[in-house]
Amino acid sequence: DAKTTQPPSMDCAEGRAANLPCNHSTISGNEYVYWYRQIHSQGPQYIIHGLKNNETNEMASLIITEDRKSSTLILPHATLRDTAVYYCIVRIPNSGGSNYKLTFGKGTLLTVNP
Amino acid sequence: DAGVTQSPTHLIKTRGQQVTLRCSPKSGHDTVSWYQQALGQGPQFIFQYYEEEERQRGNFPDRFSGHQFPNYSSELNVNALLLGDSALYLCASSLMYFHTFGSGTRLTVV
Repeated sequence: DAKTTQPPSMDCAEGRAANLPCNHSTISGNEYVYWYRQIHSQGPQYIIHGLKNNETNEMASLIITEDRKSSTLILPHATLRDTAVYYCIVRIPNSGGSNYKLTFGKGTLLTVNP
Repeated sequence: DAGVTQSPTHLIKTRGQQVTLRCSPKSGHDTVSWYQQALGQGPQFIFQYYEEEERQRGNFPDRFSGHQFPNYSSELNVNALLLGDSALYLCASSLMYFHTFGSGTRLTVV
């Protein structure tokens, strides 16, 4: 799996958009970008994933650059409950009986302030 | 729909003892992975089970072993516990594109 680089911490005001960057310059053509988050003392929670097109779901938006070397996770209206460690992971998605592991870095601690 | 359930939630063991942690996957998921998360670190992959066989293994010693049952549930066993084994142990189940994690078992070795 390709390595990722994320800032160790970020702050965001409640109600504003939170933009979390991730560099993955060595990503290969068949690797997807995944985002998970971990709220204190809980297991990681899947947020979103994408290959090369921008993606949006009820939780967030994922913007991937055209060269795929970086991406940004956007929480459009951050709330206090979004305070968590956010992990950017690149990996090959599951294929039949092959189910690929997740390689976590240290992630970005996002603190949403009132 | 129940997600991934892990038991126990907390556990205290003495050095040298053995421990078994249990995981029930999300309904419909056939693959179970185990991760160890030390304080302040991201989760580290231990191993993964599919069709009752270990399919992938991370950089963990043989003291860490596991099992998957026909109903897809899984156990993680750690023998000869060391102080450094103190961590949050996470189980994740998956079917296709993403993993669903349990809340983990907090193991303290004293």
